[in-house]
Order: sequence, then structure tokens, then C-alpha cells
Amino acid sequence: ETGVTQSPTHLIKTRGQQVTLRCSSQSGHNTVSWYQQALGQGPQFIFQYYREEENGRGNFPPRFSGLQFPNYSSELNVNALELDDSALYLCASSLENLEAFFGQGTRLTVV
Amino acid sequence: AQSVTQLGSHVSVSEGALVLLRCNYSSSVPPYLFWYVQYPNQGLQLLLKYTSAATLVKGINGFEAEFKKSETSFHLTKPSAHMSDAAEYFCAVSDQGSGNTGKLIFGQGTTLQVKP
Repeated sequence: ETGVTQSPTHLIKTRGQQVTLRCSSQSGHNTVSWYQQALGQGPQFIFQYYREEENGRGNFPPRFSGLQFPNYSSELNVNALELDDSALYLCASSLENLEAFFGQGTRLTVV
Repeated sequence: AQSVTQLGSHVSVSEGALVLLRCNYSSSVPPYLFWYVQYPNQGLQLLLKYTSAATLVKGINGFEAEFKKSETSFHLTKPSAHMSDAAEYFCAVSDQGSGNTGKLIFGQGTTLQVKP
């Protein structure tokens, strides 16, 4: 157990809908990173939040957006869902540049 | 730009045999390199990391990796495989050599199968 919790663990959405995924970071951590892991692939960096500000973004379209709250928990929002958005979404938290701890992930299926 | 290539998407070994998982990197700056393990339906767990100190890095569960700059490699080894080692393994490099462990570029992964 890493202390990083993600919710929900699984969900199914219809193409075109919007989804919000949540991540509760480990106590004391101020940095949250989000990754998308398609089936059979390595995780791909979506973006990172540091002290409530976006601190870098990967090659994902603007319909992927995020938030970090004062307690350093975070949300990942995806609008206009596409079939290719089906993946495991992983959240990782860290304190500054120290080791990042990953949550169990949210399995999103878009039908 | 940084990138990672894992050679072999699937490796099968017998219990007690040597485990060797291959990773080559490309980086325009001195890299920070990582190996992670992922069990089915789980998140990622850090096995070990190279941060420009000793070139031979020891990690958890008996794994180790050697950084070889001349070969741009960071292969993962374990002398004797255990059934519980069966999992997906990912090599990763930190973005722009920043050491920012939250911005990682991952390889495609290698599935390790351990046969009794």
C-alpha cells in the first residue's frame, strides 16, 4: 500500500461523455502526476501538478484537464470521450522531486 | 528528447534461473533511470533507480541494474527467479534529466513469466 488512493477503481462511459477521476495523494506529498496506460503499453505522462499549478504536460489534447486542491488531492477530467481513451489511468504523488508513489489506477472503458 | 526501449516484450525463465530484462535509453542529458514492476490490476512499484551515483544499483526483492553509459543500457537482473517475480516490468527515464520522478518516460514493458 502506497497511501495513494484513486477513485473509482472501474467505470464505463459512453463515447462523447465526460469523466472525472480522483486521486488522493500520500500524506505530506505536494506533487501529483497523471499517466494513461493503454492495454499492453507503458504508461504515458499526461500532466503534473505542483502546489496547485500545472507543472508540465505531455502530448495530450486540451480535453484532458486537471486540478489540484489545497490538500494536494487531484482530479483528472476528460471531455468528449473517445474509444481510444479506454485505459488504466494512474496517479502518482511525491514530495518535490523525491520518489513518486503510484496508486492502483482507475480502469476506464469507453463504449 | 528522452526515450526508452525495452528489448523483448516477453521473457520466460525457469524458477531459480537468472533473470535478465533489457533496457536501452536515449537521452541528451545525463539520465535518471528507473525500473518499476506492475502486478496484475495493480499500480507501479519502484524496484530501483539510478541517479548518477554508483553505476550498479541494488533494489528491492533481490533485483539490481547496471548503468552502462557506453552502451546506453540499464539492464535489470536477478540471480535466481522466484515464482512471485512474474509480473510486468517497466524501464523509465525522467523527462529532460530533471530527476523529477513524477515526469517519467516509460518503455513498452516486458512481461516476465516464471515457470516451475
